[in-house]
Amino acid sequence: SQKIEQNSEALNIQEGKTATLTCNYTNYSPAYLQWYRQDPGRGPVFLLLIRENEKEKRKERLKVTFDTTLKQSLFHITASQPADSATYLCALDLYNTDKLIFGTGTRLQVFP
Amino acid sequence: DGGITQSPKYLFRKEGQNVTLSCEQNLNHDAMYWYRQDPGQGLRLIYYSQIVNDFQKGDIAEGYSVSREKKESFPLTVTSAQKNPTAFYLCASRRDRSNTGELFFGEGSRLTVL
Repeated sequence: SQKIEQNSEALNIQEGKTATLTCNYTNYSPAYLQWYRQDPGRGPVFLLLIRENEKEKRKERLKVTFDTTLKQSLFHITASQPADSATYLCALDLYNTDKLIFGTGTRLQVFP
Repeated sequence: DGGITQSPKYLFRKEGQNVTLSCEQNLNHDAMYWYRQDPGQGLRLIYYSQIVNDFQKGDIAEGYSVSREKKESFPLTVTSAQKNPTAFYLCASRRDRSNTGELFFGEGSRLTVL
């Protein structure tokens, strides 16, 4: 069956540390993988997109890796801040469709 | 400012009633989407539309209906056939039919069935 899995348990880290979130998928062939941030009661906000032929993408304190052999993406936030506390969602952008399939999200809590 | 507007933000419905959630965008985007979000289940795709007067079922279309008569509007009707309609509904759009580009989301509509 097709699945997208993110850590269901919350990730708690101390301010200043690097947060690493995982997105694993099975039986999908994504052309692109996207990461979004969602705050409680709000719509998700786009953060980064990485293509299947890209290994790594960076934007300010954010870094995304994409390993199509392992079928995994890692999302890193360096020098984390309490303001980074939110739920982070990965989404697969599939070939030949306009569908984006979302994972369940991982809640990140950064404490001072 | 350009963006996506969903209304109402909160909606209460009695069992057996149909309700329509509004989604309007002024981004001139071709593609529009409806997702449902339940606690612990992420976003699940209900319907999506790539162009006016055309739309496709997503993974959980049963009990829902949509229309796309105008480029900027993509209303979702939750019918009485939807067995468990209480959820947070999110509308989104993106620029075109190519497989690139991020989704822009509205602020969501929270539907509660009494």
